[in-house]
Amino acid sequence: AQRVTQPEKLLSVFKGAPVELKCNYSYSGSPELFWYVQYSRQRLQLLLRHISRESIKGFTADLNKGETSFHLKKPFAQEEDSAMYYCAPLYNFNKFYFGSGTKLNVKP
Amino acid sequence: EAGVTQFPSHSVIEKGQTVTLRCDPISGHDNLYWYRRVMGKEIKFLLHFVKESKQDESGMPNNRFLAERTGGTYSTLKVQPAELEDSGVYFCASSQGPDQPQHFGDGTRLSIL
Repeated sequence: AQRVTQPEKLLSVFKGAPVELKCNYSYSGSPELFWYVQYSRQRLQLLLRHISRESIKGFTADLNKGETSFHLKKPFAQEEDSAMYYCAPLYNFNKFYFGSGTKLNVKP
Repeated sequence: EAGVTQFPSHSVIEKGQTVTLRCDPISGHDNLYWYRRVMGKEIKFLLHFVKESKQDESGMPNNRFLAERTGGTYSTLKVQPAELEDSGVYFCASSQGPDQPQHFGDGTRLSIL
């Protein structure tokens, strides 16, 4: 079975500190990797996808196929980054397998 | 553009009753997906429509769940009869292509008493 592991349920950092949200996925085929985010009282929305190699809101994610990891990073966290973050590999070109999510709390 | 809309936002029913959830995808999106998150668990895939056809229903938990997408526009997910373990949040998503980012609705919170 496909698995997605986000080891931290809660991550608290101070504003301006670097942040890294970890994600490891089981390998089966070649999933495409995504990060989704859910801000308070908002719907789940796409943050970034690996194939685009973009930096969205200062976040980047590096795919390490050897370690099957797709950690999300930001050098300087902002208070508005506080949200739930979900790592989501896309398998079989149609279904997302979501991690349990990491709640990021950025303190002032 | 209007996003994915789901109705109702919250439904409270008794065990054994029937409930129908509705999802309106983004206009022009042929691909429609249902997911759910039951208490304390991850968001899990239920099924995938391409237009009106079920492309993948491997995540449907049992035959009490029936999803339809007549005409290839909106979709419904019916639970009959509802059981306590069906409580959770049911999400709908749509995309232009199967490997394109999926746009999610707000979800329907289903509470079975």
